[in-house]
Amino acid sequence: GENVEQHPSTLSVQEGDSAVIKCTYSDSASNYFPWYKQELGKGPQLIIDIRSNVGEKKDQRIAVTLNKTAKHFSLHITETQPEDSAVYFCAAYAIHNTDKLIFGTGTRLQVFP
Amino acid sequence: DTAVSQTPKYLVTQMGNDKSIKCEQNLGHDTMYWYKQDSKKFLKIMFSYNNKELIINETVPNRFSPKSPDKAHLNLHINSLELGDSAVYFCASSPLRGEKLFFGSGTQLSVL
Repeated sequence: GENVEQHPSTLSVQEGDSAVIKCTYSDSASNYFPWYKQELGKGPQLIIDIRSNVGEKKDQRIAVTLNKTAKHFSLHITETQPEDSAVYFCAAYAIHNTDKLIFGTGTRLQVFP
Repeated sequence: DTAVSQTPKYLVTQMGNDKSIKCEQNLGHDTMYWYKQDSKKFLKIMFSYNNKELIINETVPNRFSPKSPDKAHLNLHINSLELGDSAVYFCASSPLRGEKLFFGSGTQLSVL
């Protein structure tokens, strides 16, 4: 089955700096890669997603890149703000009989003012 | 208007008890899920229903039984609670299987 690895587990940056979180997946049939943000005491919230027919997608300060050959995808946050502090999860999904969304292990991002 | 609401938010109970968590979504989605988040924040799928039909049943002990009376509701009943069941349980729904999940705010279950 699918396995998603996520690095780093914690990331501390200064406000205004960029943050990059990386994930790798194992199932070459995976074709949908979302990123979720989880704030303290809340459920995960979808912030951006990308499909396997696209190499990059941007939405204001966040962007996701996908390298299908290497089975890597990354989240880039530019001009970080204290409110970006949260746990971020990548995930991968493949349409199989079991079609499950498999989450990475999470990255705790802290943005210091 | 809460899109995915689950109750209760906190559940503290003794080992061996039976408890239920309720979930409702008002988004008109066909697919609903239960995820378990452990103390290390790892999110693992437990069950998925599509239009009241069970689609995914992970290797979850049969003490856990989901019930979907209609496509807007997915409840989770847990029998004979064990210490290891302590976790945060999230309900979610999506318009397509596995895509664009909307999560509830979670139920923190503590088994003493």
